[in-house]
Amino acid sequence: DTGVSQDPRHKITKRGQNVTFRCDPISEHNRLYWYRQTLGQGPEFLTYFQNEAQLEKSRLLSDRFSAERPKGSFSTLEIQRTEQGDSAMYLCASSGDRGLYGYTFGSGTRLTVV
Amino acid sequence: GENVEQHPSTLSVQEGDSAVIKCTYSDSASNYFPWYKQELGKGPQLIIDIRSNVGEKKDQRIAVTLNKTAKHFSLHITETQPEDSAVYFCASNSGYALNFGKGTSLLVTP
Repeated sequence: DTGVSQDPRHKITKRGQNVTFRCDPISEHNRLYWYRQTLGQGPEFLTYFQNEAQLEKSRLLSDRFSAERPKGSFSTLEIQRTEQGDSAMYLCASSGDRGLYGYTFGSGTRLTVV
Repeated sequence: GENVEQHPSTLSVQEGDSAVIKCTYSDSASNYFPWYKQELGKGPQLIIDIRSNVGEKKDQRIAVTLNKTAKHFSLHITETQPEDSAVYFCASNSGYALNFGKGTSLLVTP
């Protein structure tokens, strides 16, 4: 059971730089989600893919954020022109054909913008 | 987004005692209610979930109850152990997105 993999685990970047994170879902899962979690808070939904189609985006996902899932396998989340307020844990999750069944999170990428 | 209120924010119990965490939600269309345990530096781990057609579900020391009419659901952990110490989150769904509570930091003291 390989679970949901995220890379890198930690990223420190200077304000204004672009960063990209990768998520590899559980192989048989066709749904993939991105969440953001700040200290002392629960995860907040950012966006959702079914296969390669991005079906839902939160208002939290500003124009500086873009997510892709080419070929319906791994996904990337890019943040352009990072700001200090982007510092957070970025979590990826996946679930299978039975919709919300087996909704599993990865260990996250912790982003620090200095 | 839809609101999920979670109480208490912190909970300290002695080993062997029970712990109860309560949540309320606002979206009448929600039909999936998972509970996650998160340890420091790790992602949330699903520990139990319940769907709207079920009122109660139990898995060993963990149980969840759901009252759809009142829009609240609870997590019950019996015979707590020090390794149960973590932050626990409840969530409810809006479509395929999950709305999380703010978490309960549970400390089980030996």
